[in-house]
Amino acid sequence: AQKITQTQPGMFVQEKEAVTLDCTYDTSDQSYGLFWYKQPSSGEMIFLIYQGSYDEQNATEGRYSLNFQKARKSANLVISASQLGDSAMYFCAMRGGYQKVTFGIGTKLQVIP
Amino acid sequence: DTEVTQTPKHLVMGMTNKKSLKCEQHMGHRAMYWYKQKAKKPPELMFVYSYEKLSINESVPSRFSPECPNSSLLNLHLHALQPEDSALYLCASSQIQLSGANVLTFGAGSRLTVL
Repeated sequence: AQKITQTQPGMFVQEKEAVTLDCTYDTSDQSYGLFWYKQPSSGEMIFLIYQGSYDEQNATEGRYSLNFQKARKSANLVISASQLGDSAMYFCAMRGGYQKVTFGIGTKLQVIP
Repeated sequence: DTEVTQTPKHLVMGMTNKKSLKCEQHMGHRAMYWYKQKAKKPPELMFVYSYEKLSINESVPSRFSPECPNSSLLNLHLHALQPEDSALYLCASSQIQLSGANVLTFGAGSRLTVL
């Protein structure tokens, strides 16, 4: 069984500041993948960043970086230079075996001008 | 073409109706997914098709019937639904690679209201 935990129901960040969204996970799989998705109020799920369990380097995609600490089973998302358009729900997700992708409960991020 | 297209965007149906949600992708992905998302909740996996065969059914009630006619199309047939089935239904697709990221690409969703 796999489990994703996001403990921050809501976060505020000042525009242009950096923010870290927390995610911890639990799995018995040796090989797994971790994802972050953004869901604006319009409803579409937008892929942000991916980290494989065997990747030695932390993933980065533009203003997004993933702070992967395998021993602590954490995969925190860091958004640098926040923009107003970053206001959305953010979901951490994990893929274990058999194509099954499980989502955490999400964190609502609000960027303040 | 990097889109997953879902139709209809909105659907209102009575409890005795039969309707279908449709999903199409042309990215050559061989896995397709149905998720259900209630308001302020995360997406919940319903079904996964791999190579056009049903590989995961998360104990979904039989009033939801998935179908994968070919590698590009995924349907969700709805019959005798309950008001609590009202939700956003998200379709997604991904590659199937042993050591790849297999990122899910989502459609915009079909918002279903059951009266």
